[in-house]
Amino acid sequence: GAVVSQHPSRVICKSGTSVKIECRSLDFQATTMFWYRQFPKQSLMLMATSNEGSKATYEQGVEKDKFLINHASLTLSTLTVTSAHPEDSSFYICSARDSPSRGTNTEAFFGQGTRLTVV
Amino acid sequence: QKEVEQNSGPLSVPEGAIASLNCTYSDRVSQSFFWYRQYSGKSPELIMSIYSNGDKEDGRFTAQLNKASQYVSLLIRDSQPSDSATYLCAADTGRRALTFGSGTRLQVQP
Repeated sequence: GAVVSQHPSRVICKSGTSVKIECRSLDFQATTMFWYRQFPKQSLMLMATSNEGSKATYEQGVEKDKFLINHASLTLSTLTVTSAHPEDSSFYICSARDSPSRGTNTEAFFGQGTRLTVV
Repeated sequence: QKEVEQNSGPLSVPEGAIASLNCTYSDRVSQSFFWYRQYSGKSPELIMSIYSNGDKEDGRFTAQLNKASQYVSLLIRDSQPSDSATYLCAADTGRRALTFGSGTRLQVQP
């Protein structure tokens, strides 16, 4: 299956600082990538849809100025958590699906996830 | 009503038994369905996909889809302790992002 690589896998930062998480599709071009957040013992929550070359689409309740998304190329999307606070501590996971021109029945592939701890 | 619903569990089965995981969805537009397994602290990994009514088998796993009843299930035969994880059902509702259920936690007792 396709490979999606996410980095870093774990990060600890001080309150008020910013953290950047990278998500790369290694063997296919992803015009769209997705960012999820998952709190302990809860399900995946879609935060935003990252679109190559255009603005991201944020889900209701997700602050776009706090969670900056950049999708500058067909293989890389980044999520920057700005002015992080302890309540932002969570497991952040990116996902990508192959191009819709290749068919609509395509599964989503996930990165390894990033465990963010804000102290 | 959530778009994709699962019983949160935990579902506990003895080693060697069949584990049956169920999922219902509300949007009849959905055409594609996926089962993911997520170990604690890890990201989800794809187990099965199913697009047509009926059964689809892959090793110890069988996915079942009934579009009339809007029901998807995953059967795990000969369950092993290593199968203990949270199983996420996902549907393609026409959005680019899959819609996930909240997951069912499976515990396989040795």
